[in-house]
Amino acid sequence: ETGVTQSPTHLIKTRGQQVTLRCSSQSGHNTVSWYQQALGQGPQFIFQYYREEENGRGNFPPRFSGLQFPNYSSELNVNALELDDSALYLCASSRFGGLLSYEQYFGPGTRLTVT
Amino acid sequence: QKEVEQNSGPLSVPEGAIASLNCTYSDRVSQSFFWYRQYSGKSPELIMSIYSNGDKEDGRFTAQLNKASQYVSLLIRDSQPSDSATYLCAVKTILTGGGNKLTFGTGTQLKVEL
Repeated sequence: ETGVTQSPTHLIKTRGQQVTLRCSSQSGHNTVSWYQQALGQGPQFIFQYYREEENGRGNFPPRFSGLQFPNYSSELNVNALELDDSALYLCASSRFGGLLSYEQYFGPGTRLTVT
Repeated sequence: QKEVEQNSGPLSVPEGAIASLNCTYSDRVSQSFFWYRQYSGKSPELIMSIYSNGDKEDGRFTAQLNKASQYVSLLIRDSQPSDSATYLCAVKTILTGGGNKLTFGTGTQLKVEL
């Protein structure tokens, strides 16, 4: 167990709807990264938050957005859901300071199904 | 060329044997490399990190890094049925915004047979 928690565990949504996924980082960690993992693939980087700001983004459209809160927890919001958004969404927390960044530890994930 | 490449497998080894998992990467400036284990239906679990050329050992696991050849490997000694999982190779990249991301391979499925 990494100490990273995510909610909900599973979610079923309809195409066009909006969804919010939540993540609480491990104690002592100040950075949260979000990844999307489609079946049979490795996780794909969505974005990273540090000090409540997005400090890196992958090749995902703007309908994927996020927030980080003062307690370092984070949300991932996806608008206008598409069928291809069906995947396991993973949150990873890590410690970041100065020029050094450390290992990323994953939460259990949220399985999103879009019908 | 994919940024991080792994043989998808499945790689089958008998119990007690050494399992050897390989990974190549394309970004020459990468400095940090990781192996994650992922059981079916679960999230990735960090098992090894390696930053310098050479070998790094942790229990039954040994990670090997050769930056000149852009090659990372993971050896699992005395393989056990509980080692049966997908092993993901990940490479850390520093982003222009100051953040960093992990780029993953598609994973190698390992099956340890009794």
